[in-house]
Amino acid sequence: ETGVTQSPTHLIKTRGQQVTLRCSSQSGHNTVSWYQQALGQGPQFIFQYYREEENGRGNFPPRFSGLQFPNYSSELNVNALELDDSALYLCASSKEYWGSSYNEQFFGPGTRLTVL
Amino acid sequence: GESVGLHLPTLSVQEGDNSIINCAYSNSASDYFIWYKQESGKGPQFIIDIRSNMDKRQGQRVTVLLNKTVKHLSLQIAATQPGDSAVYFCAVRGGTSYGKLTFGQGTILTVHP
Repeated sequence: ETGVTQSPTHLIKTRGQQVTLRCSSQSGHNTVSWYQQALGQGPQFIFQYYREEENGRGNFPPRFSGLQFPNYSSELNVNALELDDSALYLCASSKEYWGSSYNEQFFGPGTRLTVL
Repeated sequence: GESVGLHLPTLSVQEGDNSIINCAYSNSASDYFIWYKQESGKGPQFIIDIRSNMDKRQGQRVTVLLNKTVKHLSLQIAATQPGDSAVYFCAVRGGTSYGKLTFGQGTILTVHP
């Protein structure tokens, strides 16, 4: 088991609602990346947070936003939920520092979001 | 952009056999490669990684081979056990300054006792 935790485990929302997912990174890690995993697919990169700022973003619309806090934990917010947002949302933490390019990302168990 | 594919969506082996899972990637600037194992209801679990300046790396019962010429990597699992049954993903970092990983679709490995 990694030290990455996510909450809640499961969540059911209706179309148009907003949702906030939370992630606590592994001790010693300063970077959190968020991924969306649709059923039967590989995870897709949403964005990464480093030093409380977005540090790269995948092909997701602006209604997907995030935060990172001074303790390196992070939130993923999704506004105006659509049916296609139903997926497993994974966060991964890593220790990034200047000049280091190869850093293992350790994943949490994920939050299963169902949009009805 | 980066795309990552797998040669086979499913692989079925007998306990004790060696398993080989393959992955192809498209971006020649990719510099870091990771294999993850994902069991049902869990997040991906790190298995082994390799950097682009290497062509082989070994772990406990696992070996990753990287062929940058043809942009291909493989995961070899020795003496496969029923507990190895899971979905296996390769993930590729595209040489950017941040840690975006591009994942393949996954290979379902089933190990029969």
